[in-house]
Amino acid sequence: DIQMTQSPSSLSASVGDRVVVTCRASQSISIYLNWYQQKPGKAPKLLIYSASNLQSGIPSRFSGSGSGTDFTLTISSLQPEDFATFYCQQSYSIPPAFGQGTKVEV
Amino acid sequence: QVQLQESGRRLVKPSETLSLNCSVSADSISSYYWNWIRQPAGKGLEWIGRIHTSGSTDYNPSLKSRVTMSVDTSKTQFSLRLSSVTAADTAVYYCASESYYDNTGFDDWGQGTLVTVSS
Repeated sequence: DIQMTQSPSSLSASVGDRVVVTCRASQSISIYLNWYQQKPGKAPKLLIYSASNLQSGIPSRFSGSGSGTDFTLTISSLQPEDFATFYCQQSYSIPPAFGQGTKVEV
Repeated sequence: QVQLQESGRRLVKPSETLSLNCSVSADSISSYYWNWIRQPAGKGLEWIGRIHTSGSTDYNPSLKSRVTMSVDTSKTQFSLRLSSVTAADTAVYYCASESYYDNTGFDDWGQGTLVTVSS
């Protein structure tokens, strides 16, 4: 099975900050990497699919990059509604696996 | 736009079988894989498995011996059964859709249902 490792596990940031979250796969997954945002008590929401494609309705301040084993999620200017936990997920092979999450807090 | 709604028994005794349903609303139910994903309190997300309306299934190897999924296309509903549950199976269980044709992630989710395993 492919393992996904995110860093950092948590970070403190302020409104307006540029935030970068990284995700590493235990083997090459091409571009089959997705990012989700989860707020407390809510289901995850798909932000980015196939490494760099913005899901419909997601603000353009979110972006993704990478291929192979190393990926990043960038929030260009953090907004108050962005404080949440972010997960990466590989969809290259079964079983699809999630990273352990990165909590973005004040 | 896909809409999903989980339902089922919320309290299950140890060693019994957890049973959940997910009712879906979609233009074409056969255009998706229908997934179950769970999340223990304060922890990360674990994929349980998926089913297509053709009946084909994929399960997480870590749970495969205990998982059965089925689909009822007439009711636009799919189901999860997890046998021999223990306290470690206590979690919020989500159903989620995934395009059958494109590898584009889990794009719609139900609101989740908390299942507690306790005597």
